[in-house]
Amino acid sequence: DGGITQSPKYLFRKEGQNVTLSCEQNLNHDAMYWYRQDPGQGLRLIYYSQIVNDFQKGDIAEGYSVSREKKESFPLTVTSAQKNPTAFYLCASSINLGLVETQYFGPGTRLLVL
Amino acid sequence: QKEVEQDPGPLSVPEGAIVSLNCTYSNSAFQYFMWYRQYSRKGPELLMYTYSSGNKEDGRFTAQVDKSSKYISLFIRDSQPSDSATYLCATYGNNRLAFGKGNQVVVIP
Repeated sequence: DGGITQSPKYLFRKEGQNVTLSCEQNLNHDAMYWYRQDPGQGLRLIYYSQIVNDFQKGDIAEGYSVSREKKESFPLTVTSAQKNPTAFYLCASSINLGLVETQYFGPGTRLLVL
Repeated sequence: QKEVEQDPGPLSVPEGAIVSLNCTYSNSAFQYFMWYRQYSRKGPELLMYTYSSGNKEDGRFTAQVDKSSKYISLFIRDSQPSDSATYLCATYGNNRLAFGKGNQVVVIP
């Protein structure tokens, strides 16, 4: 089955700890994205990558880091610098339908702070 | 000014009613508009996308774009309890998607 997988489903972070969220896709999509979703806030873009070994900051990149060493994988690290990390994190990948990027989302990871 | 505005208020309707959802967008250059549906604790799934102005139908769902007023709408006819979800509008521009805040819809049996 083709799709986007995210793990873990739930993640707990202690104060001062870095945690890494996994995102893998087997859709052969070039572009991948990380969003954060808070109640009443919609989706906010953290980082995105259009191609392997290249990525750009989104609207709320502070306190986060990413890497894109393989086309299939785009892990997100929530660092200790992110003071309010509790949120639902969504990974997406996209296929270019001519002039538009249609994004497909993974099932999400819910991050909670202990 | 945000690229896409969507009043995030919840909406409850009885089964069989028409659900009407709306968003406004700021950039008149935007051409592509999408609606995503998100069930509780799940990732969003693409419901429909439209190009430029006009209507697009898919079963009980109709997406409408009015470029003159920068208004996008989603209508759900004969709503079902399985339609209970959060609906997010999105526009594509500047090489990225901009999302509205989403509307939580509850269809009451």
